[in-house]
Amino acid sequence: DAKTTQPNSMESNEEEPVHLPCNHSTISGTDYIHWYRQLPSQGPEYVIHGLTSNVNNRMASLAIAEDRKSSTLILHRATLRDAAVYYCILRRGSQGNLIFGKGTKLSVKP
Amino acid sequence: GAGVSQSPSNKVTEKGKDVELRCDPISGHTALYWYRQSLGQGLEFLIYFQGNSAPDKSGLPSDRFSAERTGGSVSTLTIQRTQQEDSAVYLCASSPDRVGGEAFFGQGTRLTVV
Repeated sequence: DAKTTQPNSMESNEEEPVHLPCNHSTISGTDYIHWYRQLPSQGPEYVIHGLTSNVNNRMASLAIAEDRKSSTLILHRATLRDAAVYYCILRRGSQGNLIFGKGTKLSVKP
Repeated sequence: GAGVSQSPSNKVTEKGKDVELRCDPISGHTALYWYRQSLGQGLEFLIYFQGNSAPDKSGLPSDRFSAERTGGSVSTLTIQRTQQEDSAVYLCASSPDRVGGEAFFGQGTRLTVV
């Protein structure tokens, strides 16, 4: 499976936008970019996924570079509840494995 | 139930004993994943099922660990001759067989080997 690289940690202020980067330079054409997050003492939860086009849902937006070698998860207004570890994962097609890296630990300051 | 169910939620066992951890995925989900997470650490992949077969079991740490899935549904992770380093939260997830199908996680089994 292709690897992803994320910063170990990031800080944000409450109610400000947060841009979480992810590099995936070895991505293949059938790899989908998935983001999950893990809140403290909970199992991971799905955030968003995309292939080539930017995506929006109620939780976040996903901006994908034109060459697909990187992507950015955007939280438009961070809240204290958004403090979590965010994982960027490549999943091959509809039947690929889900391998979690170390993720980015996001801290949100009031 | 509507979600992924894992049992037991907590398990304390003596070193050297065998344990079985159970995962009931969401009905109709073809993919099933097992992970373990030690305190303060990331998710360590163990094994991945598509239906009843396991295309990727590369994460099983030793031959003391095994897993099976029957009827394309329930999965059991078995750890034989448990060691203290096996202590962790064991998480199971399932996802449907479609592009972008999101994975849903259970609440995990906290295993403590004493």
